[in-house]
Amino acid sequence: DAGITQSPRHKVTETGTPVTLRCHQTENHRYMYWYRQDPGHGLRLIHYSYGVKDTDKGEVSDGYSVSRSKTEDFLLTLESATSSQTSVYFCAISGISGRLTDTQYFGPGTRLTVL
Amino acid sequence: DAKTTQPTSMDCAEGRAANLPCNHSTISGNEYVYWYRQIHSQGPQYIIHGLKNNETNEMASLIITEDRKSSTLILPHATLRDTAVYYCIVRVAGTSYGKLTFGQGTILTVHP
Repeated sequence: DAGITQSPRHKVTETGTPVTLRCHQTENHRYMYWYRQDPGHGLRLIHYSYGVKDTDKGEVSDGYSVSRSKTEDFLLTLESATSSQTSVYFCAISGISGRLTDTQYFGPGTRLTVL
Repeated sequence: DAKTTQPTSMDCAEGRAANLPCNHSTISGNEYVYWYRQIHSQGPQYIIHGLKNNETNEMASLIITEDRKSSTLILPHATLRDTAVYYCIVRVAGTSYGKLTFGQGTILTVHP
């Protein structure tokens, strides 16, 4: 819809292994976000970025790190995956360059299972 | 951001209008009302937002009461593909960053 892709779309991994999820946008939005969605908790913000190399923590950032070396890519890394990180991960973007807009647009999601 | 209250679930017949209410009695003057929906297994989809005037786009209409303490999302001719969870969110505008707080939303089921 809004030029957002996430990869991989599905991943199964084992406890203790590193995992990197990628969010790619083609819309030149300034802001990018990573959320996780779990039953009974709704969507919770993990990290967000307000520009290249500029990132900040959200409400559930423990165990996650992010990087943004280019406007179009925002990476989420689980340094050592745990079963509690089994979830569906959504990337979102907002803030078209040159326009002030709050609307966040979401990607299709990545379903991660940690065994 | 102000808290919102929505019914847990609603039903609607295909082809009829679906009217989804949202209460936001503690909304502040600089807070907008946003609506998103999430179809099963997909990412949340932006529908519409407004401050105090009624808004309409190709997907829906948003009616905000004069005191801004409640609003209604209207899908004028619901289809089976509109079955989803609908979220009403209130947040300050002018800040392009920051989390969206999704509540439990309303499960809308559109019947044939």
